Amino acid sequence: GEDVEQSLFLSVREGDSSVINCTYTDSSSTYLYWYKQEPGAGLQLLTYIFSNMDMKQDQRLTVLLNKKDKHLSLRIADTQTGDSAIYFCAVLGGATNKLIFGTGTLLAVQP
Amino acid sequence: SAVISQKPSRDICQRGTSLTIQCQVDSQVTMMFWYRQQPGQSLTLIATANQGSEATYESGFVIDKFPISRPNLTFSTLTVSNMSPEDSSIYLCSVDGVADTQYFGPGTRLTVL
Repeated sequence: GEDVEQSLFLSVREGDSSVINCTYTDSSSTYLYWYKQEPGAGLQLLTYIFSNMDMKQDQRLTVLLNKKDKHLSLRIADTQTGDSAIYFCAVLGGATNKLIFGTGTLLAVQP
Repeated sequence: SAVISQKPSRDICQRGTSLTIQCQVDSQVTMMFWYRQQPGQSLTLIATANQGSEATYESGFVIDKFPISRPNLTFSTLTVSNMSPEDSSIYLCSVDGVADTQYFGPGTRLTVL
């Protein structure tokens, strides 16, 4: 079945850039998403990219998609303590048209 | 994006009882979804709810355990029936948006004793 994998944990210092990585197996995925979950909260949609794009930039966020390697990344520039959260990668299954979520990456920002 | 609210935000329930979770959206939406997020885990889709039709359940989830209502285009309920401690999770509703995105509610944190 479709699978989405992420590393569990990333620690960075305030002001540095963070890069959160995601790999997926469904080569027919049309849209790929990044969500943020702060403690005790629901999921907030951060950004998304269509599968025919390589890159998308939105203020401090840059999404890179390597479709050949089925690799998605989220770069957060000038990371702040308020960016501390769990980040979920999600892909829209090409056959199922359903969102498949990754395992989530806990980003810890050290002051 | 849609504004979504859920009630209750959290609850502690006894084994064998049932809890109904409400999801309200501030605009009309076609599709609503219910997810479960077990402690420390990712999200798992329970079912998709379209107005005017029966909900479509994912493998491993059945209507008797998780009955869903969708009476109109802005509201849905999920009931967790005959609860056991294994049902302790966060339950989230979401709605469809542009580019097949989904917008999520704040979640309902359920603890079953």
